[in-house]
Amino acid sequence: EAQVTQNPRYLITVTGKKLTVTCSQNMNHEYMSWYRQDPGLGLRQIYYSMNVEVTDKGDVPEGYKVSRKEKRNFPLILESPSPNQTSLYFCASSFRGLGYEQYFGPGTRLTVT
Amino acid sequence: QKEVEQDPGPLSVPEGAIVSLNCTYSNSAFQYFMWYRQYSRKGPELLMYTYSSGNKEDGRFTAQVDKSSKYISLFIRDSQPSDSATYLCAMSSVNAGNNRKLIWGLGTSLAVNP
Repeated sequence: EAQVTQNPRYLITVTGKKLTVTCSQNMNHEYMSWYRQDPGLGLRQIYYSMNVEVTDKGDVPEGYKVSRKEKRNFPLILESPSPNQTSLYFCASSFRGLGYEQYFGPGTRLTVT
Repeated sequence: QKEVEQDPGPLSVPEGAIVSLNCTYSNSAFQYFMWYRQYSRKGPELLMYTYSSGNKEDGRFTAQVDKSSKYISLFIRDSQPSDSATYLCAMSSVNAGNNRKLIWGLGTSLAVNP
């Protein structure tokens, strides 16, 4: 089954404790993105990748890091999480480009206390 | 002014009604338009996409683009309780390059009552 998977699905952590949210897609897509979704603010792109070892900042990159060492994986790293990073996070991939249809993972609900 | 405006609702309709969901936009360069459905606690799911102007139909769903008015619509015929979800519009100016990102509406919450 073609899909984007994310882990963990739910995470409660404390301020400053480094964490990684994994994302993997099995569709051989070149383009991948991370979004956060907040009430009243909608979906906002954090980082994106156009291919292996090619990543760039989106609209809200502060406090986040990413890497793309393999085509299928695109982990999101929060080196020192803060409460304002409490959000719903989605990974997405696309075969045509960042401005085309995106296929989303199931989401990761992160709470930072 | 936001690039994409979408009424958040909530919109509540009886089962079987025709639903009209809309987005307006300000950037005349947008040419690629998408509608996503998002169930509670799930990721957005692509419903339909259209390029430039015109209509596209898929089962009970019809997407319509009016570039002269900078207005896109999604119509749902014979709405079902399973259509209850948040509907997100998204659009881009893809001809400007492959790294052009999607611009998202905030979503409209729809409830279809049995």
